[in-house]
Amino acid sequence: AIRMTQSPSSFSASTGDRVTITCRASQDISGYLAWYQQKPGKAPKLLIYAASTLQNGVPSRFSGSGSGTDFTLTISCLQSEDFATYYCQQYYSYSPLTFGGGTEVEI
Amino acid sequence: QLQLQESGPGLVKPSETLSLSCTVSGGSISSSSHYWGWIRQPPGKGLEWIGSMFYSGSTSYNPSLESRVTISVDTSTNNLSLRLNSVTAADTAVYYCARHMGGLVRGVLYMDVWGQGTTVTVSS
Repeated sequence: AIRMTQSPSSFSASTGDRVTITCRASQDISGYLAWYQQKPGKAPKLLIYAASTLQNGVPSRFSGSGSGTDFTLTISCLQSEDFATYYCQQYYSYSPLTFGGGTEVEI
Repeated sequence: QLQLQESGPGLVKPSETLSLSCTVSGGSISSSSHYWGWIRQPPGKGLEWIGSMFYSGSTSYNPSLESRVTISVDTSTNNLSLRLNSVTAADTAVYYCARHMGGLVRGVLYMDVWGQGTTVTVSS
């Protein structure tokens, strides 16, 4: 299985901050990466797919980059509603699909 | 607007079978561009993909669960089902059904629409 490692696992930030979350794959996954946001008690929400393509309706302050094994999710100007846990997911191989361990963005 | 709603028992005894259903509304489960599947999240932990199915019958399962899992699709009722045999406390989790982008050529990709999730506890 392809292992996805996110860093950091959690961190504190303030509204208005620019934040970056990193996701590393255990092997080359090209650009087959998605990012999700999950708030407490809620289902995950798709933010980005194909490493950098914004899902319809997602604010433009979210952006993704990377290819191969190293990827980043950036929030350009953190808003109060962005405090959540973020997960990356590879779909280069669906045997199995795998997620990173999550990054919690705290106030 | 596509919506998914999970349902099923909230409590299952060890060694028994967990059975969940997911009703798809606002769209057809017989889509050539999507798989339909399940993801779970143990309390306080991350996400684990269980498996998914194309409406025509093609399935893909997580190898770690494959021996215990069956996913099925009923196109007549627009429903997706999950059966997980021989459950233990380690199967306690929130179970989500989700639409997966993909198809028979592209395979199973990412999840673009999720249900709200249903909590299943395995305990005697």
